[in-house]
Amino acid sequence: GAVVSQHPSRVICKSGTSVKIECRSLDFQATTMFWYRQFPKQSLMLMATSNEGSKATYEQGVEKDKFLINHASLTLSTLTVTSAHPEDSSFYICSASPSSVNSPLHFGNGTRLTVT
Amino acid sequence: AQSVTQLGSHVSVSEGALVLLRCNYSSSVPPYLFWYVQYPNQGLQLLLKYTTGATLVKGINGFEAEFKKSETSFHLTKPSAHMSDAAEYFCAVSRGIAGGTSYGKLTFGQGTILTVHP
Repeated sequence: GAVVSQHPSRVICKSGTSVKIECRSLDFQATTMFWYRQFPKQSLMLMATSNEGSKATYEQGVEKDKFLINHASLTLSTLTVTSAHPEDSSFYICSASPSSVNSPLHFGNGTRLTVT
Repeated sequence: AQSVTQLGSHVSVSEGALVLLRCNYSSSVPPYLFWYVQYPNQGLQLLLKYTTGATLVKGINGFEAEFKKSETSFHLTKPSAHMSDAAEYFCAVSRGIAGGTSYGKLTFGQGTILTVHP
């Protein structure tokens, strides 16, 4: 089946630094990938839609300058949390769908970000 | 706008008992509905989905769900719980796009943690 790989699975960084999270579709091409955020004991919230070759589309309330998204190829999207603060600590999950019609979403295993 | 409500943040059953996880949705357009399972510190795995057609949908691991438009519900059931079913379950809704499909913009419910006792 379709596989989405996310790296790293865990990362700890200091306040003020930037962290990059990668999301790869391993056996299919994805023109669109999605980034979700999950706070502890809460549900997932869509942050942005990553579009290959064009700018990402951010959901209301998500700071595009803080959460930089790059989708440089059909198999790779990256999320960079810039100038991280402790309140950015969260579980970030990417998802992607094969480009064919009626293909369901496949999720990565997530990245646990802790900002100290 | 779309929304999802999962009734009960925690459900506890005995091994072998019926599992029933409740989900109600709100959508201004015909919804696409999903159930996902999440194990600790992992991503989400699709259990089943409803798009069109048969309202009773069968998924993996013996789960099934029934789309009831009149009740705006999509409850998840499994006849006999297994210890390995213990996890968190999310109901989600998306807008199906005519002429194509984008399942990416999902609205999730708050999740239900299922505990299975021996």
